[in-house]
Amino acid sequence: SAVISQKPSRDICQRGTSLTIQCQVDSQVTMMFWYRQQPGQSLTLIATANQGSEATYESGFVIDKFPISRPNLTFSTLTVSNMSPEDSSIYLCSVTGDRSLSSYEQYFGPGTRLTVT
Amino acid sequence: GENVEQHPSTLSVQEGDSAVIKCTYSDSASNYFPWYKQELGKRPQLIIDIRSNVGEKKDQRIAVTLNKTAKHFSLHITETQPEDSAVYFCAASGYNQGGKLIFGQGTELSVKP
Repeated sequence: SAVISQKPSRDICQRGTSLTIQCQVDSQVTMMFWYRQQPGQSLTLIATANQGSEATYESGFVIDKFPISRPNLTFSTLTVSNMSPEDSSIYLCSVTGDRSLSSYEQYFGPGTRLTVT
Repeated sequence: GENVEQHPSTLSVQEGDSAVIKCTYSDSASNYFPWYKQELGKRPQLIIDIRSNVGEKKDQRIAVTLNKTAKHFSLHITETQPEDSAVYFCAASGYNQGGKLIFGQGTELSVKP
């Protein structure tokens, strides 16, 4: 199956700053998604990263706060802008649609643990 | 949009017993139902999934059942082992939903030796 990496694995940031998280896949995939997992909670979809066009955001998430890029079929970035302590969370990318995967199976990157002070 | 409810939130069993986790979904258009296992500090791992054209699927000690009419699906783990201890998440998705997953709240399973 696809190998998914994320950078950074963790970071501690000051409020008001921004952090860009990278997600890299070792093969071309159709779909890439970004999720947030707050401490002790379930996974919440932030947005679908569309290759070559604007991301599709879920209710409660906006582009100004979480700008997303997806320049090609193997890479995406999520930026957490103007951070506050409430943004402290694990951010995970996921992928589906690899040639070796069915169109439904979705696999997750290792996550980025963000702490905002 | 889709809403997934998962029960129980915590489950404690003795080693060797069976564990059952149940989920309900709201969108009848959903047709794909995966289960993920997440160990502490690790990423969610896909352990089994089922599509709406199948009523049951089994893989060694784990099985998933789906009742489309009632819109619920369940994870069954038999002969539980301490290494089964983790948080389990169900999810639902549909082709017309762009492949995105909507997750249940999670079940923390503890298997006592």
